[in-house]
Formats: sequence, C-alpha cells, structure tokens
Amino acid sequence: AQKVTQAQTEISVVEKEDVTLDCVYETRDTTYYLFWYKQPPSGELVFLIRRNSFDEQNEISGRYSWNFQKSTSSFNFTITASQVVDSAVYFCALSEVGNDMRFGAGTRLTVKP
Amino acid sequence: DGGITQSPKYLFRKEGQNVTLSCEQNLNHDAMYWYRQDPGQGLRLIYYSQIVNDFQKGDIAEGYSVSREKKESFPLTVTSAQKNPTAFYLCASSPVAGGPWTGELFFGEGSRLTVL
Repeated sequence: AQKVTQAQTEISVVEKEDVTLDCVYETRDTTYYLFWYKQPPSGELVFLIRRNSFDEQNEISGRYSWNFQKSTSSFNFTITASQVVDSAVYFCALSEVGNDMRFGAGTRLTVKP
Repeated sequence: DGGITQSPKYLFRKEGQNVTLSCEQNLNHDAMYWYRQDPGQGLRLIYYSQIVNDFQKGDIAEGYSVSREKKESFPLTVTSAQKNPTAFYLCASSPVAGGPWTGELFFGEGSRLTVL
C-alpha cells in the first residue's frame, strides 16, 4: 500500500533562512510518481514538481530544490532564502501506476518578516 | 483564463439536509476528482471520474454522491448520511493521457462546508 509521511506538522522560520520540508514514502511498486504541492491561504493547491521513480536527479528551480533519494524513500523539499510569500501548507504526494494520488498530512510553513 | 471553478466558497447546512457543491473546469481535462481536507489529515479522495458518465469511489465515498453528465462538470452531493460533513472540499482535474496517476492535478479554490 502506498503511504506518505510528512513528520513536520508546522515549521516557523525567519525570512531569509533556509528551510527543508521532509517527505518519506512507502510503496511496493518500482514505477511511481512523487509530487509536491503548495496550498496558499486562498485554498487551491498549486503544483510544484513531479518526479518519476526512475529519475533520481535532484532539481533546482530558483529558490526551490528537491532531493530525491530512493535508498531512504525520501523526497525532501528545500526553500533557500525563504520569503514571507512562501508561507503556506506544503503537501507531498505519491502515485502508483493505476492508483490514486496519495497525499501526506501536509507541513504548515510560516515565514516571519 | 482556463481553470477550475468551485461554488459556493462557503456553505452552511443544517443537519439532515443534502447539499450540492459545484465544480466546473474549462481545461478540457478528462479526469476529475473530489477530495476532502480535514485539519492534520491531508487530502482524502472521495470520488473520481475518468470519462463522462463513469465514476469510481475513493477512500471515503460513504455519504457522498456524484454525477458526470458533462466533461466539464463534476458536482458533489453531500447527503444526510454523511456523519461528519464539516470540512473543506477540493475539486481537481487532470489530463488522462498517460494515466491520471502520472500527471499533475489542477485544483479549484475549494468549498468550505459547515454543518450547524
């Protein structure tokens, strides 16, 4: 069965600090997809990244970076030089082929000025 | 602009009443989904539909019903059989090419239902 664990319920940082959001997943499939979504106060979830299980290359997009490690079943998300606009709830999600997307419980990030 | 529109944004219901939440998309996506969000529990799938006139139950379908008569519309009815309906409901869509599990989901802004 697929499962996603985001152990950090809430994180608070001061602007310009770096912050890492942890995501650990469980799956018995060899082919699967991992995602990160951002939920700002407006409510809708916004897609940030998708990774398939065969691509362990880390990715950087501006201040955002993702570290995918199959050996530890982790897909962590780092925000560098955080800003107040980064304040949101962040969800990690997992999809196995033929199955629904399974979301973690989310991590609420608060960036203080 | 293309996107997903959910209405109403806020809804209050008395116990024993059915309510219907609207979800419309103009992205020409085949697949549509309804999720329920409760504090500290992430998103849980209620129902999903990959094509018109077809839908499948998700993890928590009891007390809910859906229809998919048009590609762009996927309304959710919260029935009186739903024991704890107060929650935030999110509608999403995705293109099916490659399978809905491979693609990103596009979300609406959600509907917050409160049972009085």
